[in-house]
Amino acid sequence: GEDVEQSLFLSVREGDSSVINCTYTDSSSTYLYWYKQEPGAGLQLLTYIFSNMDMKQDQRLTVLLNKKDKHLSLRIADTQTGDSAIYFCAESIRFNKFYFGSGTKLNVKP
Amino acid sequence: DAGITQSPRHKVTETGTPVTLRCHQTENHRYMYWYRQDPGHGLRLIHYSYGVKDTDKGEVSDGYSVSRSKTEDFLLTLESATSSQTSVYFCAISEQGTGPNTEAFFGQGTRLTVV
Repeated sequence: GEDVEQSLFLSVREGDSSVINCTYTDSSSTYLYWYKQEPGAGLQLLTYIFSNMDMKQDQRLTVLLNKKDKHLSLRIADTQTGDSAIYFCAESIRFNKFYFGSGTKLNVKP
Repeated sequence: DAGITQSPRHKVTETGTPVTLRCHQTENHRYMYWYRQDPGHGLRLIHYSYGVKDTDKGEVSDGYSVSRSKTEDFLLTLESATSSQTSVYFCAISEQGTGPNTEAFFGQGTRLTVV
């Protein structure tokens, strides 16, 4: 399969910014995504970025894409306790196949 | 929420028994996927379908088979369940094409335990 890698854990204090990083290997990725999974639930799309973009901002979320280094990041500004969840990056390539990273568990301390 | 229903939501089965998980969608999306989620591995693609009767293998297809006889239903079968298949299984759907329509929508998951 394709290699999409993320660090497993991140802990921040409420009100701080969180930065979750992801690296991928397939340069033919068309879209890259960030999904959020809350306990006991499925995954929900947070945001996505087209592969020819460098940055996308969506309210508290900022996605940065460095295509040369195949590095994707998600910044959450003013992190809240409700942001505690597992965050997955994913890429879509041929035939609409999606490959996911292992997920980063974000813990937000009050 | 996208109209995706997985059944059953929870199942405990014995080693060596056959198990079928069902994914039903009401969105008329062309693509359907089965993933398994395991700690430290994220989501790994088992099989996917790009149309009725059109399926292909994913990364971890050994021990699994699928069928799609109707647009709305995608079945995942474990012919002879093993303890290594204890996992949470997610079904996902997406439309064809590029752009935001390639977003995958996920079901709520099926927790399968093989004892």
